[in-house]
Amino acid sequence: GAGVSQTPSNKVTEKGKYVELRCDPISGHTALYWYRQSLGQGPEFLIYFQGTGAADDSGLPNDRFFAVRPEGSVSTLKIQRTERGDSAVYLCASSLGGGEGYTFGSGTRLTVV
Amino acid sequence: QKEVEQNSGPLSVPEGAIASLNCTYSDRGSQSFFWYRQYSGKSPELIMFIYSNGDKEDGRFTAQLNKASQYVSLLIRDSQPSDSATYLCAVDYSGGYQKVTFGTGTKLQVIP
Repeated sequence: GAGVSQTPSNKVTEKGKYVELRCDPISGHTALYWYRQSLGQGPEFLIYFQGTGAADDSGLPNDRFFAVRPEGSVSTLKIQRTERGDSAVYLCASSLGGGEGYTFGSGTRLTVV
Repeated sequence: QKEVEQNSGPLSVPEGAIASLNCTYSDRGSQSFFWYRQYSGKSPELIMFIYSNGDKEDGRFTAQLNKASQYVSLLIRDSQPSDSATYLCAVDYSGGYQKVTFGTGTKLQVIP
């Protein structure tokens, strides 16, 4: 596609529920990143995919968070047993991997009530 | 802990002036540096990247890098009200695969 697409744009869920956030990167971008951003803060790294594999998942806060990219394109970030502290904007970005910087999607605003 | 430090601002400049945004980083081995602009309620947008010491110019924007001082800056010439946004400095601490660490951003206000 022309840009990085993230769905849904907004998600409100109850504490304890499971959520899935989807990212469709720019066509041909092999590198995909998930970040999350809280109000007044810079984006915080979660996980990086090169192709289908998670090359670096050191930013995932705990084992409630998991992400996949089974065919090397679309990625899904999965959060189990959501907590109020998970509320943030979840940003997906993609790149060609050549050091030229990212293109971000418009983000998913997750609110856990 | 590898850090990126920015003054949160707000930095207020009159229209037409030069805005100077500054960033320091903690790891001398870092190789790649990025500036992103983020409008309120929107996602970050890449403005510039710089790898080498010195200046890099792109239109009204100039990125400056001083690796000895661990300092990177962004100059915006002829500032416009449309430049009012938060500017995020990002540093690649991963050694090349662009796992970047972001600063908290500097809010810029350009006064008409």
